[in-house]
Amino acid sequence: GAVVSQHPSRVICKSGTSVKIECRSLDFQATTMFWYRQFPKQSLMLMATSNEGSKATYEQGVEKDKFLINHASLTLSTLTVTSAHPEDSSFYICSAAPAGDHEQYFGPGTRLTVT
Amino acid sequence: GQQLNQSPQSMFIQEGEDVSMNCTSSSIFNTWLWYKQDPGEGPVLLIALYKAGELTSNGRLTAQFGITRKDSFLNISASIPSDVGIYFCAGTDFSNTPLVFGKGTRLSVIA
Repeated sequence: GAVVSQHPSRVICKSGTSVKIECRSLDFQATTMFWYRQFPKQSLMLMATSNEGSKATYEQGVEKDKFLINHASLTLSTLTVTSAHPEDSSFYICSAAPAGDHEQYFGPGTRLTVT
Repeated sequence: GQQLNQSPQSMFIQEGEDVSMNCTSSSIFNTWLWYKQDPGEGPVLLIALYKAGELTSNGRLTAQFGITRKDSFLNISASIPSDVGIYFCAGTDFSNTPLVFGKGTRLSVIA
């Protein structure tokens, strides 16, 4: 149980285009999902907290207009990187938390490369 | 933001050796979690701890929730090559709230 999927696993896009990453909880309902960014050899950096049916809460320094988050259902949250630039290249990971649980389950991550 | 102090940063050990790593915090947590991350993958939950003093095992892994609620350790016994990876501790107080992460311990196992 507690499986979280992400799609795509890898994406390469040209500078200026937008990329959408999906995060799904496969066997549980997630009222809250989290989006992280991870640079090589570093820990996970929280970007935003996504609650189903409401606006995401962004961490300081994360541009909400650049990283659009939509949590339209209890099993799906999406992160759209708009007008991507090479500096947006990174490993993006989502996690999902079942309602009332302290534990979070992570997706396998999405490697974004912007050329 | 708030971060946990995790040590050591990296470890090189011989296969078969035991491993110990720990996390400390300046503030208390109600829950401690330990994750393992393989290269190019998302973290996988290893052990969750909910009560001060709690000692929990998962196969060769054992973790404890410190009595003060400000620390936790993870032990791996009889290490094997597939134990290689980065181990993260994380703390949280409430459900459905962001985790506070340590910087990770990079484990290398020499066969």
